[in-house]
Amino acid sequence: GDSVTQMEGPVTLSEEAFLTINCTYTATGYPSLFWYVQYPGEGLQLLLKATKADDKGSNKGFEATYRKETTSFHLEKGSVQVSDSAVYFCALSFYNQGGKLIFGQGTELSVKP
Amino acid sequence: DADVTQTPRNRITKTGKRIMLECSQTKGHDRMYWYRQDPGLGLRLIYYSFDVKDINKGEISDGYSVSRQAQAKFSLSLESAIPNQTALYFCATSERQGPTDTQYFGPGTRLTVL
Repeated sequence: GDSVTQMEGPVTLSEEAFLTINCTYTATGYPSLFWYVQYPGEGLQLLLKATKADDKGSNKGFEATYRKETTSFHLEKGSVQVSDSAVYFCALSFYNQGGKLIFGQGTELSVKP
Repeated sequence: DADVTQTPRNRITKTGKRIMLECSQTKGHDRMYWYRQDPGLGLRLIYYSFDVKDINKGEISDGYSVSRQAQAKFSLSLESAIPNQTALYFCATSERQGPTDTQYFGPGTRLTVL
C-alpha cells in the first residue's frame, strides 16, 4: 500500500544550522505531497505542499522539491531558529481519494540557542 | 476564536467505558476527519466524512464509531474503551482547492484509558 517514510528523530541542531529532514514515499500513481508542522501542545498546520513532479513548495524559509525519480520530498531550511523546534510530518494524498492524508511517523526537531 | 475546536482536551477513563470526543468547526468546510497520533507512528485515519450523509471508514476504524450531526460537527465515539486506544486524537477539516486539499487541524484530545 501507499506509505511515507521519514528520517528518525530527534534531530538536534544549533541555531543558524542547515536543516534537512528526509522523506520518501511509496505510491501507485502520482500523489500530492505535504509537510505539516506540529508545535508543542498544538495541532498540525500545513507548512508547504507540492502537487506534481519538480514542483517546489516553500514557506517560512523552508523548501521541499517533489522528486518523482527518487520518490522523495526532503524538507530543507538554510538557517534554523529556536522557534522552528517542532515535530515535522511528511504526508501524501491522492486527488481521487477525497484528500485523505497518509502520514510519515514524524521527525522531532530541537534547535538550541 | 479557533476555527476547529475539540472537546475535551484531556480525558482519563477506564476500560469498558463509553467515550465521546467532539469536534466543531467554523470554517464552513464539508469534509471532516478523525485521526489518532501514536508516538513513532505518525497520524492514522480513523473515519472521514465528505458531508452529513457521507461517512467512510479509514485505516483503523475498528473499535470506533462516528456521528456527523451537522456540517459543523463531527463526533468520535469509543463504545467500550480499551488501553490501546490511549492516544492523541485530532479532528481536521478541508475543502477542495484545485488538485489538493489543505487540512486544518484542531488542537487535539489526549485520551488515556486505564
